[in-house]
Formats: sequence, C-alpha cells, structure tokens
Amino acid sequence: DAGVIQSPRHEVTEMGQEVTLRCKPISGHDYLFWYRQTMMRGLELLIYFNNNVPIDDSGMPEDRFSAKMPNASFSTLKIQPSEPRDSAVYFCASRGLRQEINQPQHFGDGTRLSIL
Amino acid sequence: AQSVTQLDSQVPVFEEAPVELRCNYSSSVSVYLFWYVQYPNQGLQLLLKYLSGSTLVKGINGFEAEFNKSQTSFHLRKPSVHISDTAEYFCAVRKASGGSYIPTFGRGTSLIVHP
Repeated sequence: DAGVIQSPRHEVTEMGQEVTLRCKPISGHDYLFWYRQTMMRGLELLIYFNNNVPIDDSGMPEDRFSAKMPNASFSTLKIQPSEPRDSAVYFCASRGLRQEINQPQHFGDGTRLSIL
Repeated sequence: AQSVTQLDSQVPVFEEAPVELRCNYSSSVSVYLFWYVQYPNQGLQLLLKYLSGSTLVKGINGFEAEFNKSQTSFHLRKPSVHISDTAEYFCAVRKASGGSYIPTFGRGTSLIVHP
C-alpha cells in the first residue's frame, strides 16, 4: 500500500516567496492533518480536514498560512509570503474511516522547508 | 482536554542495555494511548497502541509498553536496544469516545544508542 505522499521533500526559498506544500493521503482515509515540527515547539497541529472540509484551523499561525483540500486525494498547505521563522518540517498525516475510531494516524515523510 | 508529558527530552544508552522512555498523561475521560517512532528524515510511524484489555502492549521492533491507569502512565520499554533504535519517540493520547478523536502528542524523547 502506498503511504501518505508529500512533495517536495525539501524546499529552500527566499523570504517573501510563496511556498506550496502538497500531500496525497492514503486512499480511503477521510481525515487529513497538517503538522509543523520545530525544535522549539515540537509537533504542532496546524489544521485538519474531515471529508475534505476544514474542521479546525486554530493551529494555523497566521493569515499567511492557508490550506485546501479540493478532493479526497489531494491537499495543499500554502505560505504567502514566507518568512524565515516558517522554517520547519511540515508533516501531513491521514487516518482511516470514521467508524474505525481507534485507528492511528499515518504520517508522510515530511517537507523540510528552509526560508532564507 | 488531555495532555501528555514525556519526562525526558533525551535518553542516552549503550547498545544491548535496557531502556525505558517515560510518558504520563492527564485526561478526564477514557483514552487510547500510542507510541510513535520517528527516524531521521522520516515521518512518524506507529510502534504500538493501547486501546483496552491487557495493560501490557507489545509493538514492533521488540518494544512494549505498560498502561498504568492509577499512575496515568504509559512507559515504553525495550530489554536490549540496538544502534538502529536511535530515533525520536513520541507518546500520544486520544479520547476513546466522543469528540473528534484528535491525538495530543508529547514533545518527544530522543533515544541515543551508543556502541
């Protein structure tokens, strides 16, 4: 089975540029999560979707961050404009069907973002 | 709301020695508990989970964890570690019923296995 697929794996860009991170969840999973991981703050939940609908975006740090899920097999996290403090590893995770409430999350390998 | 505390940010240990990574949680309701492992440059992978039943849970790679309700703990153990166990380990807790079943993760414990 293909796991959660994230792209790109690494992104280096200059401050002020737009950054788009992509995620393909496991087929059939109806929950999708975006996390940010830094040394200072650990693993932070930014936003999650259920059936393509954003449920809780209270973890999104600023209006510069936005996330979309246009269909069940694709999601994007966009930062515009980017700032050096956005440098982190961004993870996407998905989880199985709602009735399987004890199922764990499955994580992608992350996108390592560096803003210069 | 639930919370998770991983008491050690870093645990150094020699190869073939036993190890215990500590996790305590707080919650006013019944919970499910998870341990994840993160190898360098990879995402988190599930090691084991406690849902109900036997309080001793066995996972992959020889790890096990014991759920202790009275002490609200879920410590991870391995009797003999390998160099390849060097990684970051995360404890997570989630409500067993009601709500959105979103897990809360601890800050992680870095296990460093020395030869």
